[in-house]
Amino acid sequence: KQEVTQIPAALSVPEGENLVLNCSFTDSAIYNLQWFRQDPGKGLTSLLLIQSSQREQTSGRLNASLDKSSGRSTLYIAASQPGDSATYLCAVSLLSGGYNKLIFGAGTRLAVHP
Amino acid sequence: KAGVTQTPRYLIKTRGQQVTLSCSPISGHRSVSWYQQTPGQGLQFLFEYFSETQRNKGNFPGRFSGRQFSNSRSEMNVSTLELGDSALYLCASSGDRGYEQYFGPGTRLTVT
Repeated sequence: KQEVTQIPAALSVPEGENLVLNCSFTDSAIYNLQWFRQDPGKGLTSLLLIQSSQREQTSGRLNASLDKSSGRSTLYIAASQPGDSATYLCAVSLLSGGYNKLIFGAGTRLAVHP
Repeated sequence: KAGVTQTPRYLIKTRGQQVTLSCSPISGHRSVSWYQQTPGQGLQFLFEYFSETQRNKGNFPGRFSGRQFSNSRSEMNVSTLELGDSALYLCASSGDRGYEQYFGPGTRLTVT
């Protein structure tokens, strides 16, 4: 059974810091991995999608890497800003799970203070 | 391009009642998936519809059902509501299998 774990559960940093959020999964037979952010009480905003054949994706100050063999992904946020404060979720879809069934981690709650 | 829309945004129901939630996907997307988010269980997959057919299903009781219409809009129905059904219900749309999924703002259901 696929399990997705995110470390740390919560993180508080001063503005301007570079930070790394971690995601691990137990079954390496994934189809893709997606990072989302969620603001309190709101829906999910897609940040980056990494296909299983890819090693990383970049969008602006965000960079996500994928190491399928070790079951790990990291989300790197450069020069953090207070507007980055949110919960960050990673999710994987499985080759055997119909591709669109996402299995989520519990998230990392990030607070960036001025 | 308009995003995923969900109606209603908030609902309060009583135990034993039933409820129907609606989701309109991004134009051109044919896959719609539903998720339940609770503080205790996190985000859990309910089911996925593609071209009016249920393509995948999570581990939820039969009280949870859904359907998809020819215009790809989807509805989710929960019958005989229980207190534990209180949650944020999210739908997501994508172009096809394995494509990036885009989520709506969710429907907050409170069961009293």
